[in-house]
Amino acid sequence: NAGVTQTPKFQVLKTGQSMTLQCAQDMNHEYMSWYRQDPGMGLRLIHYSVGAGITDQGEVPNGYNVSRSTTEDFPLRLLSAAPSQTSVYFCASSPRAENTGELFFGEGSRLTVL
Amino acid sequence: AQSVTQLGSHVSVSEGALVLLRCNYSSSVPPYLFWYVQYPNQGLQLLLKYTTGATLVKGINGFEAEFKKSETSFHLTKPSAHMSDAAEYFCAVSELGNYQLIWGAGTKLIIKP
Repeated sequence: NAGVTQTPKFQVLKTGQSMTLQCAQDMNHEYMSWYRQDPGMGLRLIHYSVGAGITDQGEVPNGYNVSRSTTEDFPLRLLSAAPSQTSVYFCASSPRAENTGELFFGEGSRLTVL
Repeated sequence: AQSVTQLGSHVSVSEGALVLLRCNYSSSVPPYLFWYVQYPNQGLQLLLKYTTGATLVKGINGFEAEFKKSETSFHLTKPSAHMSDAAEYFCAVSELGNYQLIWGAGTKLIIKP
């Protein structure tokens, strides 16, 4: 059972480039989310979705775009990468849309922007 | 606004010693409370949670936490540390109907042989 799968695991970008981080879950979870993790700052929510076709902003949405066309997939797009977006990105899902906080995480995508 | 404070960015204990990781939250409404663990180069996984009922909650790998409403705390403990417990631990809170978890900054647990 795959759970939450993130690709790529590592990526290096130049400032101004765009890219998409992929996230897929095979647990039929309603809720999916993207976090970034930076040293000493815990996790910060970027965007989340409570179901196909429904997305909303989290704490730090600027510079990122998401869509949820299917229950399984929730890609995160960086529109024009900046060095401040160097971080580790985690996708997480939860069975129910109301999100009791029981999140299932992917293994992370480490992004470096030069 | 809701906030979560984890006391100590690093905690070092000897193998076999008591582990105590502190978490305090600010909320006027009893929240849902969670501890997650992150092993090196991995994603986070749920260690334990408190929603309602018994205030002493047992989790995986011998960890437990106690919800103390009067102290707005949810400290994580383990009677005897093992080398495999070395990881970063995150406390988080949410409120019923809220789609967002509020996270602490994390505490890195170091186990000395």
